[in-house]
Amino acid sequence: DSGVTQTPKHLITATGQRVTLRCSPRSGDLSVYWYQQSLDQGLQFLIQYYNGEERAKGNILERFSAQQFPDLHSELNLSSLELGDSALYFCASSVSRGNEKLFFGSGTQLSVL
Amino acid sequence: AQKITQTQPGMFVQEKEAVTLDCTYDTSDQSYGLFWYKQPSSGEMIFLIYQGSYDEQNATEGRYSLNFQKARKSANLVISASQLGDSAMYFCAMRETPYSGAGSYQLTFGKGTKLSVIP
Repeated sequence: DSGVTQTPKHLITATGQRVTLRCSPRSGDLSVYWYQQSLDQGLQFLIQYYNGEERAKGNILERFSAQQFPDLHSELNLSSLELGDSALYFCASSVSRGNEKLFFGSGTQLSVL
Repeated sequence: AQKITQTQPGMFVQEKEAVTLDCTYDTSDQSYGLFWYKQPSSGEMIFLIYQGSYDEQNATEGRYSLNFQKARKSANLVISASQLGDSAMYFCAMRETPYSGAGSYQLTFGKGTKLSVIP
């Protein structure tokens, strides 16, 4: 168990809908990262929050947004969903003070029908 | 150009044998980190091993070792005494200097290698 909790584990929705994915980082970790894993694109970095502030952006679509709350949990919001958004979405956390590893949650499998 | 290249889409290894999974990387940074993660069929990403660019010795974690050849920009994962439970996808990843500012340590991943351990 990595200590990173993601909910829900599975999500099935329809095109055009909006969903929210939730992540609780490991105790003491200040950074939360969101990754998208799909068969064609592999693992893609989406966005990072550090202690409540956005720190880095990757290949995140404008339809997607995220935030990190004062208790350090994070939410990834996906709107106007398309079939191509179907993927495994990972949250990872780290202390972000040096060359430490990222701890990944078990992911949320999103299926857009 | 890809930053992380894993040239072996799939590998087979006999149980109890050793196997090497290849990874080459591309960076102009002097300070960077290299990681290997395992993803079993259940989907979670499991950290295996880390090598810093300034580490003089190859990293080892139990049955996992990282064959780090800096001049060749190579960071191969060696799994000794393979077990059936080692069957999974293996991802090599790199963390470069955080140009996004302090506290930014996102990883860039390769496409992965699917390892199958044969009884």
